Amino acid sequence: DGGITQSPKYLFRKEGQNVTLSCEQNLNHDAMYWYRQDPGQGLRLIYYSQIVNDFQKGDIAEGYSVSREKKESFPLTVTSAQKNPTAFYLCASKATSGGYNEQFFGPGTRLTVL
Amino acid sequence: GQQLNQSPQSMFIQEGEDVSMNCTSSSIFNTWLWYKQDPGEGPVLLIALYKAGELTSNGRLTAQFGITRKDSFLNISASIPSDVGIYFCAGQLRSGYSTLTFGKGTMLLVSP
Repeated sequence: DGGITQSPKYLFRKEGQNVTLSCEQNLNHDAMYWYRQDPGQGLRLIYYSQIVNDFQKGDIAEGYSVSREKKESFPLTVTSAQKNPTAFYLCASKATSGGYNEQFFGPGTRLTVL
Repeated sequence: GQQLNQSPQSMFIQEGEDVSMNCTSSSIFNTWLWYKQDPGEGPVLLIALYKAGELTSNGRLTAQFGITRKDSFLNISASIPSDVGIYFCAGQLRSGYSTLTFGKGTMLLVSP
């Protein structure tokens, strides 16, 4: 079954702790993305990666970090520097060949910082 | 970053009614995508549009890529309760551009 998995579905952390959200895809996609979604808001881009060992900041990268050591994996770390980390986090991937621009999303992780 | 203007913000309709929503921008896009998001889940791609004027259907859903390349429309015919959710438009500004611009979504509620 090809797709994108995010784990865990729900995550609770105490204020001041770093937390890492997992994103794995077996679609053989080169590009991967992290978005943040707040109630009543659209999707805001945090970081993206078009190839292994390379990534770029999105619109709201402050307080977040990523790595892309494997094609299949793009973990997101929410650091203690992120002032308002409670949100729904979505990972997506996209093929970079064939001229297609469609991004496919994982099921999301809801992070609550207490 | 730029956001698309998506309207309406929400709709409450009766089962069986047709629905129409749209996205507009001051910029030209070369791709328009429409997604549906159920509560607590990730968005699911409904329709992808790649050419100005293109009209594409997916079951009861029909979407169009505006001639000016600055807008797109999504229509749902004969709505049913499972159409409930948030519908997002997304656009890619130009070829080779690697990110999407998203609208804020249209929340659709369907009364049986």
